[in-house]
Amino acid sequence: SQQGEEDPQALSIQEGENATMNCSYKTSINNLQWYRQNSGRGLVHLILIRSNEREKHSGRLRVTLDTSKKSSSLLITASRAADTASYFCATDYRQGGKLIFGQGTELSVKP
Amino acid sequence: SAVISQKPSRDICQRGTSLTIQCQVDSQVTMMFWYRQQPGQSLTLIATANQGSEATYESGFVIDKFPISRPNLTFSTLTVSNMSPEDSSIYLCSVAGQGASMNTEAFFGQGTRLTVV
Repeated sequence: SQQGEEDPQALSIQEGENATMNCSYKTSINNLQWYRQNSGRGLVHLILIRSNEREKHSGRLRVTLDTSKKSSSLLITASRAADTASYFCATDYRQGGKLIFGQGTELSVKP
Repeated sequence: SAVISQKPSRDICQRGTSLTIQCQVDSQVTMMFWYRQQPGQSLTLIATANQGSEATYESGFVIDKFPISRPNLTFSTLTVSNMSPEDSSIYLCSVAGQGASMNTEAFFGQGTRLTVV
């Protein structure tokens, strides 16, 4: 069963605004990863944060991890219409690449 | 990194038939993973394909319905057997990074969009 929960399930913003998505999980993890999926196509890896890290940046993306609360957030700054996609968090709770996915957030960025 | 080729990219199948999905990786990997994404849903792990041993299935998935082969370290197949419309989904294969710690990102194929009519 899925152990990750994400909120919001859907988010609609204007271009230029920031988008924040949250992810919660249930058990101890080795790392947490964020992926993007456009229109039901393959997954694009965005960023990985290890359990001993608290924050990571990649371009317009900022990810935080709070292991005490078992939660993570993904912030996309200065959003663009091209950011419109579904975003999933995925937890690797034991080494080897087996992932448990959250329910996903559907982001819509309007020009 | 790893490049994964998955085929077919999509198919429309009659109920009661079977479809075999192929996954080819450009490097040798220890474990390969098969996921299902039902319409409008997230990804659910079906099984882990291990080279040289039987696949390990997650709760709710059985070998008779989703037989998996793993003949070598770069290739795997997933068969969806005796299909029904409820099997209409995107099926994705995945591999993990192969760094020393293996604490790295996973890589995904482009998926197979299956429609059962």
